[in-house]
Amino acid sequence: DTEVTQTPKHLVMGMTNKKSLKCEQHMGHRAMYWYKQKAKKPPELMFVYSYEKLSINESVPSRFSPECPNSSLLNLHLHALQPEDSALYLCASRPLGGVNEKLFFGSGTQLSVL
Amino acid sequence: AQKITQTQPGMFVQEKEAVTLDCTYDTSDPSYGLFWYKQPSSGEMIFLIYQGSYDQQNATEGRYSLNFQKARKSANLVISASQLGDSAMYFCAMRIQTGANNLFFGTGTRLTVIP
Repeated sequence: DTEVTQTPKHLVMGMTNKKSLKCEQHMGHRAMYWYKQKAKKPPELMFVYSYEKLSINESVPSRFSPECPNSSLLNLHLHALQPEDSALYLCASRPLGGVNEKLFFGSGTQLSVL
Repeated sequence: AQKITQTQPGMFVQEKEAVTLDCTYDTSDPSYGLFWYKQPSSGEMIFLIYQGSYDQQNATEGRYSLNFQKARKSANLVISASQLGDSAMYFCAMRIQTGANNLFFGTGTRLTVIP
């Protein structure tokens, strides 16, 4: 199994809603990532987990709350989002190692905030 | 600070021809890795090819090759025998040994293959 699975593929939510994005991998990777990608822009790093502990938070607003309950699962909890948060949210994972370890990406969740 | 530059917002290539997508980078870290990813309209980022800073030879993966010129800090992607399915966004990315968890992306190049 060499896949990173993200659900849902599409999500529409209001500014007062609470929702969660889910990411799962069974490759034994111990680093997991959340990226945000606006249209026609490169992915921007949000969070990185190493060994299920948060290692990087790129000054992301608190309305985004990541969670890594185990080595295979990564969640992103969303609350009180703004319309400008509409974007493609990509999850990725990689083995912990040197600079040569590539990231495996999921197909993303397209989020629309109304 | 690390920086990746892709100066071609869009490129066109005739089917079956070769095309080069440019990428330059800047880092003071002697140990780094360079990656190319393809992103079709479906959204998934697909890994294409990797080049390490200490690698002596240019990387190749099927129709993809990387023209690595370390002194010029460039890592251009060459796609040979272009196919219609190659139409996509292409991102150059870099990871440095210090802070190896981060992967820095360039702004991308949209490639369109013309029949």
